[in-house]
Amino acid sequence: ETGVTQSPTHLIKTRGQQVTLRCSSQSGHNTVSWYQQALGQGPQFIFQYYREEENGRGNFPPRFSGLQFPNYSSELNVNALELDDSALYLCASSQKTGTYEQYFGPGTRLTVT
Amino acid sequence: AQSVAQPEDQVNVAEGNPLTVKCTYSVSGNPYLFWYVQYPNRGLQFLLKYITGDNLVKGSYGFEAEFNKSQTSFHLKKPSALVSDSALYFCAVESGGGSQGNLIFGKGTKLSVKP
Repeated sequence: ETGVTQSPTHLIKTRGQQVTLRCSSQSGHNTVSWYQQALGQGPQFIFQYYREEENGRGNFPPRFSGLQFPNYSSELNVNALELDDSALYLCASSQKTGTYEQYFGPGTRLTVT
Repeated sequence: AQSVAQPEDQVNVAEGNPLTVKCTYSVSGNPYLFWYVQYPNRGLQFLLKYITGDNLVKGSYGFEAEFNKSQTSFHLKKPSALVSDSALYFCAVESGGGSQGNLIFGKGTKLSVKP
């Protein structure tokens, strides 16, 4: 098991609502990346935070936003939820940006009805 | 654009036999390649990576991968499969030219090892 934790484990929301997912990075890691994994697919990169600043973003709309805190934990916020947002959301931390291996948390399963 | 292809949805192997899970990539510049494994209802676990150097990379749990630049491949291998190796395997490429670490994943290959 990695030292990356995520909360909550599961979540059910209604279309149009807003959701916040949380991630605590592994000790010593200052970089957090978020991924969306739809059923039967590989994870897709949402964005990355390095030392509290956004350090890259994938092809996701602005209603997906994030934060990183001074202790390097992170939040993913999704506004105006759509049915297609139903997925496993994975947080990964790494020692630095670049080619350092990422350590993934167990994920948050979001269901939008 | 950077991309990764895993041509097999599923690989079936008998326990004790060698296994190979295939991956090909398309990148501009130097490829930085990774393999991850995902067990049911779990996050991804890092297996190994290729950044530079020796084309044969050794990783966790007895896995290794061979980087082949001419064939743009990075196949995952293990000499003797275990039933406990049954899981979903993802190949990934780092898309930021080594500067960002955001990974592009293949769609995954389900490995089934039968006793």
